[in-house]
Amino acid sequence: GNSVTQMEGPVTLSEEAFLTINCTYTATGYPSLFWYVQYPGEGLQLLLKATKADDKGSNKGFEATYRKETTSFHLEKGSVQVSDSAVYFCALREYGGSQGNLIFGKGTKLSVKP
Amino acid sequence: NAGVMQNPRHLVRRRGQEARLRCSPMKGHSHVYWYRQLPEEGLKFMVYLQKENIIDESGMPKERFSAEFPKEGPSILRIQQVVRGDSAAYFCASSPNLRYYGYTFGSGTRLTVV
Repeated sequence: GNSVTQMEGPVTLSEEAFLTINCTYTATGYPSLFWYVQYPGEGLQLLLKATKADDKGSNKGFEATYRKETTSFHLEKGSVQVSDSAVYFCALREYGGSQGNLIFGKGTKLSVKP
Repeated sequence: NAGVMQNPRHLVRRRGQEARLRCSPMKGHSHVYWYRQLPEEGLKFMVYLQKENIIDESGMPKERFSAEFPKEGPSILRIQQVVRGDSAAYFCASSPNLRYYGYTFGSGTRLTVV
């Protein structure tokens, strides 16, 4: 079945450090890939997405590239801020028939220290 | 343009009581998804509904859980005879159609069973 695996947290960084959160997936078809962010006590917000191989999603300084050959969608940011502290979820969505639900990884908690 | 509205934000129930969680999708969205987030876990798909129809309930526990999305009014996730293991955050998401690439999530209902 389809699945998403992302690196275990928590990840603790100093402000302005480089961030990478690894995400790999298993899918039978050609899924769309997503990163969601969850701030404390809130719901999930879509951070960025990519719908086909080699697409790069980007938003708020975050980037991720859909790599079909390595089945990966790693999240990166060149310089993190304290306000980026949150839990980040990688997810995929595969279409077909009546499907359409998202499959999430377990989440990676990021803490950024000033 | 209000987002996805969930209520209540927090719900406390004693073991054996019923819990009713409500979700009003974004205006113009006719597809609703319910997810459950257990502590320190990612989100798990429960059920996907369109107006008056359950499309996919493959993630719903077979007993005590039910969902509906009537023609008028919010979607309801109902848990009968709650047990401690039902304590979790329940999130609702909506989209305008099956091909829409990103959901909009509500802020969730945090259910605590005492």
